[in-house]
Amino acid sequence: GDSVTQMEGPVTLSEEAFLTINCTYTATGYPSLFWYVQYPGEGLQLLLKATKADDKGSNKGFEATYRKETTSFHLEKGSVQVSDSAVYFCALMEIKAAGNKLTFGGGTRVLVKP
Amino acid sequence: EPEVTQTPSHQVTQMGQEVILRCVPISNHLYFYWYRQILGQKVEFLVSFYNNEISEKSEIFDDQFSVERPDGSNFTLKIRSTKLEDSAMYFCASRQGTIREQFFGPGTRLTVL
Repeated sequence: GDSVTQMEGPVTLSEEAFLTINCTYTATGYPSLFWYVQYPGEGLQLLLKATKADDKGSNKGFEATYRKETTSFHLEKGSVQVSDSAVYFCALMEIKAAGNKLTFGGGTRVLVKP
Repeated sequence: EPEVTQTPSHQVTQMGQEVILRCVPISNHLYFYWYRQILGQKVEFLVSFYNNEISEKSEIFDDQFSVERPDGSNFTLKIRSTKLEDSAMYFCASRQGTIREQFFGPGTRLTVL
């Protein structure tokens, strides 16, 4: 079945540091890929998405490129802020006749210190 | 901006009791989902619902679980006889037919004592 693997946290960074969170996936078809963010005490918010190979999703300074050859969708941000402290989830969705569920990775907790 | 809402935000119940978690999806969305997240663990798919029927369900979604869209706006998850291991955050999500993003509600934290 489909699965998503992402690096375990926590990742602790200083403000303005570079952030990378690795995400790889296995899928039987051609999935869409997503990054969701969960701020403390809140629900899941879509951060960015990519629907086909070589697409780059971007939002709020975060970027991720859909790499079909390496089945990866790594999240990057060049200069993190304290407000980026959150749990980040990589997810995939296969477009099928039924369901179209999201399959999530385990989440990576990021803590940015001033 | 339209959003998915969920009630209650926190539900405490005794083991063996029935609970109903409520969700109001975004009004023009056609696909509805329930997920759960046990504390500190990954978000897990429970069930998807389309055209007034379940389109897919996971192994977690056993006979103790049911979903319903009783009117044009609400989408409910019922757990008939709660177990301790049902304690989790339950997220509702909805999706418009042509757009792939699922929009999530803020979640209901269920605590089974």
